[in-house]
Amino acid sequence: LAKTTQPISMDSYEGQEVNITCSHNNIATNDYITWYQQFPSQGPRFIIQGYKTKVTNEVASLFIPADRKSSTLSLPRVSLSDTAVYYCLVGDPQYSSASKIIFGSGTRLSIRP
Amino acid sequence: AAGVIQSPRHLIKEKRETATLKCYPIPRHDTVYWYQQGPGQDPQFLISFYEKMQSDKGSIPDRFSAQQFSDYHSELNMSSLELGDSALYFCASSLDGTSVDYNEQFFGPGTRLTVL
Repeated sequence: LAKTTQPISMDSYEGQEVNITCSHNNIATNDYITWYQQFPSQGPRFIIQGYKTKVTNEVASLFIPADRKSSTLSLPRVSLSDTAVYYCLVGDPQYSSASKIIFGSGTRLSIRP
Repeated sequence: AAGVIQSPRHLIKEKRETATLKCYPIPRHDTVYWYQQGPGQDPQFLISFYEKMQSDKGSIPDRFSAQQFSDYHSELNMSSLELGDSALYFCASSLDGTSVDYNEQFFGPGTRLTVL
């Protein structure tokens, strides 16, 4: 599984756009990039997954450059309820024996009024 | 939509006691994962099952065992409990990645185990 590096913490204010970048220099050809969100005392929740270019859903956007060695999770117009830990994961989702999630140190995002 | 169910939600035990945590996956999901999250720590993978067979093993102590039953629910059995076992235990389920584009894992609400 490719190692990922992301900031330990970030602060922002309500209504701002927040971008969290994750580095994964050793990403393999079949690897996808997945982001999970975890609120305090709750189980992690899948946010978004992508392979290349840009993916957007109702929660976030994921930008992946051509070399795929990094990715950026973009949260538009954050609110207080977006305060959570965000985990960047890299792996081959179709290889079932590798489908366990190895959580690294996520990014603790704090949103202020 | 149905979610992953875990029981009990809270459990208090004494040292050296045993505990059993239960997990009921989302209907039709065939894979179950167990994770342990200590206070202020990131979730750690313990063990997983696919179609009632153990599929992967992580940092699960020998004092712990788990199994997946014919109805796909899973139980995590913990014996000789230690203070350090106090944590949130999450169960997650997914549909095997070989049959879908990606195997998104759906996490349950967790069981908070406190060992006194």
